[in-house]
Amino acid sequence: AQTVTQSQPEMSVQEAETVTLSCTYDTSENNYYLFWYKQPPSRQMILVIRQEAYKQQNATENRFSVNFQKAAKSFSLKISDSQLGDTAMYFCAFRVAGNNRKLIWGLGTSLAVNP
Amino acid sequence: KAGVTQTPRYLIKTRGQQVTLSCSPISGHRSVSWYQQTPGQGLQFLFEYFSETQRNKGNFPGRFSGRQFSNSRSEMNVSTLELGDSALYLCASSPLNLQGTIGHNSPLHFGNGTRLTVT
Repeated sequence: AQTVTQSQPEMSVQEAETVTLSCTYDTSENNYYLFWYKQPPSRQMILVIRQEAYKQQNATENRFSVNFQKAAKSFSLKISDSQLGDTAMYFCAFRVAGNNRKLIWGLGTSLAVNP
Repeated sequence: KAGVTQTPRYLIKTRGQQVTLSCSPISGHRSVSWYQQTPGQGLQFLFEYFSETQRNKGNFPGRFSGRQFSNSRSEMNVSTLELGDSALYLCASSPLNLQGTIGHNSPLHFGNGTRLTVT
């Protein structure tokens, strides 16, 4: 079965500090795509960053970067210089290449950025 | 460019009734996916439509159905509502890639969801 595990239900960080959210996944496929989404209280799911499994280089988007360890099936998200607006639920998800484009999601990590 | 629009935002229904949820994708997006979000199960894939055809379907009973119109707008219908259908229903649209198809790396653009409460 394909699953995503986010082992930290809740986390908090002080403004301007760095925080890392963990994510592990399980699949027997070799070609897949990984995503981090955030969901603020407005409920709208917003893409934070994405990574192709065939790329060894870790993806980076401004203050957001990932540590992708394919052998360990780990895909953690690092947020640098945390801002109050980063407060949200963060979801890790992946999609296997093939006919079915459904995303498999973790249960999320609630991140609170404190002033 | 306007984002994905879902209507209504909130809905309260009684067990046994049916409900229809609407989703208007971002202009130019032709793929629409639906997800159910609950605290216990997280996000679960319902189905995906592209060019008015259902392309993929999740593991939900036949009470859950959908369709897509020629303008890419999509509707989702749930019949004979059960208490367990209470959830946030999210719709997402995707753009085409350079080949004119929906790529696996295509990001999903989500709406604000419809909060359905079944009493």
